[in-house]
Amino acid sequence: GNSVTQMEGPVTLSEEAFLTINCTYTATGYPSLFWYVQYPGEGLQLLLKATKADDKGSNKGFEATYRKETTSFHLEKGSVQVSDSAVYFCALSGGGKLIFGQGTELSVKP
Amino acid sequence: DAGVIQSPRHEVTEMGQEVTLRCKPISGHDYLFWYRQTMMRGLELLIYFNNNVPIDDSGMPEDRFSAKMPNASFSTLKIQPSEPRDSAVYFCASTRGLAVSDTQYFGPGTRLTVL
Repeated sequence: GNSVTQMEGPVTLSEEAFLTINCTYTATGYPSLFWYVQYPGEGLQLLLKATKADDKGSNKGFEATYRKETTSFHLEKGSVQVSDSAVYFCALSGGGKLIFGQGTELSVKP
Repeated sequence: DAGVIQSPRHEVTEMGQEVTLRCKPISGHDYLFWYRQTMMRGLELLIYFNNNVPIDDSGMPEDRFSAKMPNASFSTLKIQPSEPRDSAVYFCASTRGLAVSDTQYFGPGTRLTVL
């Protein structure tokens, strides 16, 4: 069946550091891929998405590229800020349903 | 738009009690989803509705859980009787459709604690 695997957290970085959060998936067919972000005490918000191979999703300085050959959708940001501290979820869409990874907690220190 | 509205935000109850969680989706959204988030199992889809009709309830853990959507602007998730292992954050989400261009919008969640 469909599944998503993310790198375990927590990830702790200093402000302005480079961020990578790894995400790989298993799916039949060609799912759409998503990154959601959850700030403390809030629900999930869509951060970015990609709908086909080689697509790059981007938003707020975050980027992720849909790599079909490696079944990956790694999240990157060149320079993180304290305000980026949150939990990040990778997800795929299968049959209209979202299947989430376990989430990766990011903590950015000043 | 007010976004997806959930109530209550926090609920503490004792084992054996009935718990009802409420959700108001975004107006015009035809799909409504209920998720459960725990440390052990992450985010799980419990059930989703299309035009108020339950489409897939395969994620509902057991008969103690039930969900209804009596109209387009209201849904409930009920647990009766509640057990400590039901403690989790329950999210409601809604979307206009299931096309790739459609985004699921999440509510702030209800944190349930069963003692």
